[in-house]
Amino acid sequence: NAGVTQTPKFQVLKTGQSMTLQCAQDMNHNSMYWYRQDPGMGLRLIYYSASEGTTDKGEVPNGYNVSRLNKREFSLRLESAAPSQTSVYFCASSLGGGYNSPLHFGNGTRLTVT
Amino acid sequence: GQQLNQSPQSMFIQEGEDVSMNCTSSSIFNTWLWYKQDPGEGPVLLIALYKAGELTSNGRLTAQFGITRKDSFLNISASIPSDVGIYFCAGQTSGTYKYIFGTGTRLKVLA
Repeated sequence: NAGVTQTPKFQVLKTGQSMTLQCAQDMNHNSMYWYRQDPGMGLRLIYYSASEGTTDKGEVPNGYNVSRLNKREFSLRLESAAPSQTSVYFCASSLGGGYNSPLHFGNGTRLTVT
Repeated sequence: GQQLNQSPQSMFIQEGEDVSMNCTSSSIFNTWLWYKQDPGEGPVLLIALYKAGELTSNGRLTAQFGITRKDSFLNISASIPSDVGIYFCAGQTSGTYKYIFGTGTRLKVLA
């Protein structure tokens, strides 16, 4: 049982390049999330998908787009990478809202933009 | 954006000592979660709390959902070297799917 799988694990981009971070979960969860983690800032929500077919902005959505491809997969796209997007990106999933629905995280994608 | 106030930011303790950390918010939450993150890995769920006043244990870890619903506490008893890591709290308000995270408590255990 893999849980939440993120690819790639590491990526280096030049300013202006684009890329897509992939996330898949095998827990039959309804909700999926993208967070970024920066030193001293904790985890900040970029986008989330409460259920298949819906997406909503979180705290820091600028510069990102997302796609909920199906129930299992939720991708994060950087159209034109900037150095300020250097961070560790975590995907998470949950059963979906309400009681007994904590987040389960992947192991992250470490992105450096030069 | 909204963030939780988590304290302390970091702490050094001796092996065998008890540890306490807490999170406070200006908002009322209906769920509190506590996570531990090891270097190079994603956060792992330790304890989930769903009711004001609730006290829940997981081995040497005990967490409480504050009565005001604006705070939560995590205690670790008899710390061991593998307790080293960053501990995060997270809260969720009623009717939303979003979880807000604290800035973390970095724990270092001296053998």
